[in-house]
Amino acid sequence: QVQLQQSGPGLVKPSQTLLITCAISGDSVSSNIGAWNWIRQSPSRGLEWLGRTYYRSKWYNEYAAFVKSRISINPDTSKNQFSLQVNSVTPEDTAVYYCARGVTTFDYWGQGTLVTVSS
Amino acid sequence: QTVVTQEPSLTVSPGGTVTLTCASSAGAVTSDYYPNWFQQKPGQAPRALIYTTNNKHSWTPARFSGSLLGGKAALTLSGVQPEDEAEYYCLLYYGGAWVFGGGTKLTVL
Repeated sequence: QVQLQQSGPGLVKPSQTLLITCAISGDSVSSNIGAWNWIRQSPSRGLEWLGRTYYRSKWYNEYAAFVKSRISINPDTSKNQFSLQVNSVTPEDTAVYYCARGVTTFDYWGQGTLVTVSS
Repeated sequence: QTVVTQEPSLTVSPGGTVTLTCASSAGAVTSDYYPNWFQQKPGQAPRALIYTTNNKHSWTPARFSGSLLGGKAALTLSGVQPEDEAEYYCLLYYGGAWVFGGGTKLTVL
């Protein structure tokens, strides 16, 4: 059974960096048939796919165009987890952030992390 | 910017049938967009129901089915149960990026 466990701060100040991690059990971040995604949800913007990382003999990353300049998704093979970093956050980045597994679907999801951007 | 459009809300009677649709501003939805459908209830993460147009996950109830209909992706619920009341989201792939629809609030009344 695949499980994704998220951890990260609930409050981030404007202009600072948001960092959330997603620990994987029951699968491997280095799987050569998998992919590891970050998605967020807010009342004003709905569900938004942010990007993904995956391994196919080497590591690849793909990011949504609207946030590409500010985010980084990184695998940590030693801890079997992956992380989301969002730089220069604004109140518009306030959302519930989810990690999810999948290439052509998102079958397993983390529990969600509510991140509020406020001073 | 690509926009994925769903009906904002639909109402169905218990035991009835309802079809939700998912349209793309880029044109007709095909299987190349790998249409997915998710169900979300308040306070929960979305739950995957359908992937690549019409494939069910192992946990997807038989009353849910996916298809392509008139240039859109479609999710049909047959024999609706009270517990099907939820928000439903579609998801489409645009060559390197995924885009969610705005969601359909399904009321069972």
